[in-house]
Amino acid sequence: EADIYQTPRYLVIGTGKKITLECSQTMGHDKMYWYQQDPGMELHLIHYSYGVNSTEKGDLSSESTVSRIRTEHFPLTLESARPSHTSQYLCASSGIGRNTEAFFGQGTRLTVV
Amino acid sequence: AQSVTQPDIHITVSEGASLELRCNYSYGATPYLFWYVQSPGQGLQLLLKYFSGDTLVQGIKGFEAEFKRSQSSFNLRKPSVHWSDAAEYFCAVGAAAGNKLTFGGGTRVLVKP
Repeated sequence: EADIYQTPRYLVIGTGKKITLECSQTMGHDKMYWYQQDPGMELHLIHYSYGVNSTEKGDLSSESTVSRIRTEHFPLTLESARPSHTSQYLCASSGIGRNTEAFFGQGTRLTVV
Repeated sequence: AQSVTQPDIHITVSEGASLELRCNYSYGATPYLFWYVQSPGQGLQLLLKYFSGDTLVQGIKGFEAEFKRSQSSFNLRKPSVHWSDAAEYFCAVGAAAGNKLTFGGGTRVLVKP
């Protein structure tokens, strides 16, 4: 059973606050990803990491930042939340090798008021 | 650049009827193709994947998909839908099994009693 956890599941926060969305996986995967999904829309890659101390920006520009200090942990931070950041954020991880696929967390639904 | 198109935004099907969801991709090399399902407020669950070999792949929950290179398609099918199949379905393409994915816009499936 794939284990990738995101906390919190839901977050309502005021404009200007700093927030960190947590993502942890227990599968020992080297690769981790953050996707942003607006309601009823497709997923867009905003950050990814292929290992510890490696982070890259994805296809969709985002004001968020990420860090990868430990293999199992890939938090996403917004220094100053704005209403435009309201969205669902999905974390995923995958291993190396020919037949591995991405496993997704349950997502964090963020609302900035 | 890789891209995925899901032409149908919504599909309504009667319970017990067959279902086919279309997916067309654009990718310069041999693609790694995936179908994911997302229930409301949830993360994504992998239904099936195609890497190579037999072009008809079987997945979970009675789903199957057929890879047609000549048509750049990877359509998802189920012979008889159940009410629990109501969800959003996403087709995705990647450069390799564990690499970042590009998603289509999704198809929302509604199941009538």
